[in-house]
Amino acid sequence: NAGVTQTPKFRVLKTGQSMTLLCAQDMNHEYMYWYRQDPGMGLRLIHYSVGEGTTAKGEVPDGYNVSRLKKQNFLLGLESAAPSQTSVYFCASSVHRASRDVFYEQYFGPGTRLTVT
Amino acid sequence: AQKVTQAQTEISVVEKEDVTLDCVYETRDTTYYLFWYKQPPSGELVFLIRRNSFDEQNEISGRYSWNFQKSTSSFNFTITASQVVDSAVYFCALSEAFNNNDMRFGAGTRLTVKP
Repeated sequence: NAGVTQTPKFRVLKTGQSMTLLCAQDMNHEYMYWYRQDPGMGLRLIHYSVGEGTTAKGEVPDGYNVSRLKKQNFLLGLESAAPSQTSVYFCASSVHRASRDVFYEQYFGPGTRLTVT
Repeated sequence: AQKVTQAQTEISVVEKEDVTLDCVYETRDTTYYLFWYKQPPSGELVFLIRRNSFDEQNEISGRYSWNFQKSTSSFNFTITASQVVDSAVYFCALSEAFNNNDMRFGAGTRLTVKP
């Protein structure tokens, strides 16, 4: 099992350019997440998905869009990159929750370091 | 909304010392889970432990131990006899039952263990 993989590992964009980050998991997990990590701020949730074809906003969704066309893939798009989106992006996945009160740990990908100049 | 505070930004110890990483959380929900993750210099996040709000038993796993105290809203992490390989950034995180998928992370504590 590869677990959670992210493509690309590094990217430099110019302001206004667009790009898509790809996350893939081979653990048959229902839930997938996109986070950004900034110095001194921990990880913040951008968007998440509880299943194929469904997405929802997290804590910091502005400037990003996502799609979950296949269960194993979760795409994060930046339509018009801004320097404030310079960050390390992490994708994560977790198993389906059996009930409202049950939580499972998330498994993280290796991260994508994005610089917007 | 829930909040996690890791007041210690950086800690430096010498190998074999014990070290405790603090985590204080805020939540209005009565059902929640707490997590610790490790981020070594290579950058990936490694899951360490999950604890639910109904279980206040302390947990020990090798040199790692966790102290969950609801009375003080804390979930502290202790490494006994620290080793150089323990050097990493450690994150505490919280998920509420009310706010299902929104796991909030603390800012992290960077631990440096010197030989």
